[in-house]
Amino acid sequence: AQSVAQPEDQVNVAEGNPLTVKCTYSVSGNPYLFWYVQYPNRGLQFLLKYITGDNLVKGSYGFEAEFNKSQTSFHLKKPSALVSDSALYFCAGPLSSGGYQKVTFGTGTKLQVIP
Amino acid sequence: DAMVIQNPRYQVTQFGKPVTLSCSQTLNHNVMYWYQQKSSQAPKLLFHYYDKDFNNEADTPDNFQSRRPNTSFCFLDIRSPGLGDAAMYLCATSRVGKNTEAFFGQGTRLTVV
Repeated sequence: AQSVAQPEDQVNVAEGNPLTVKCTYSVSGNPYLFWYVQYPNRGLQFLLKYITGDNLVKGSYGFEAEFNKSQTSFHLKKPSALVSDSALYFCAGPLSSGGYQKVTFGTGTKLQVIP
Repeated sequence: DAMVIQNPRYQVTQFGKPVTLSCSQTLNHNVMYWYQQKSSQAPKLLFHYYDKDFNNEADTPDNFQSRRPNTSFCFLDIRSPGLGDAAMYLCATSRVGKNTEAFFGQGTRLTVV
């Protein structure tokens, strides 16, 4: 079965420190992977995606993610956390082998940036 | 310049009283999705449309129905809301293809009293 997993329910980091939000995947074929962020009482916003090519993907708001095939991981990173980065982060991957996209979401990781 | 718009943002309905949530898009995307999200859990896909082709998830209760009269609009109908249907309902759109990201609306928070 195709799935993504987020092993941490919550990550706390001090403002200005680097942050990492973890995601591992189990996807057959080419692993198209995504990160989304959700602020309180809002819909999800797309941050970045991995399709093929460079293992380091750069996205919105200074976020980047590193695709690691040998470790089947796609961790989200940012060099210097801001308080405004505090939100719920979801990793996602394709669910079906159909021509259009259905995604499966990880369980989400709450990021708390402490001033 | 909102691209996926959900109305209303907050909806209160009575137990058992039919309710309709709406979604519109200005992106002209072929695919539209409805998700249910409870208390910061992962969004759960209820169904999606590829153009007019309706695709229901196997575990979506019969109580949930959907209509897509044209490319721009999609509706979620809950025929007889129960207390367990209280949740955030998210509409999303995407182009066709596994490597395309989804664009989400702001969501409608449904309360059942």
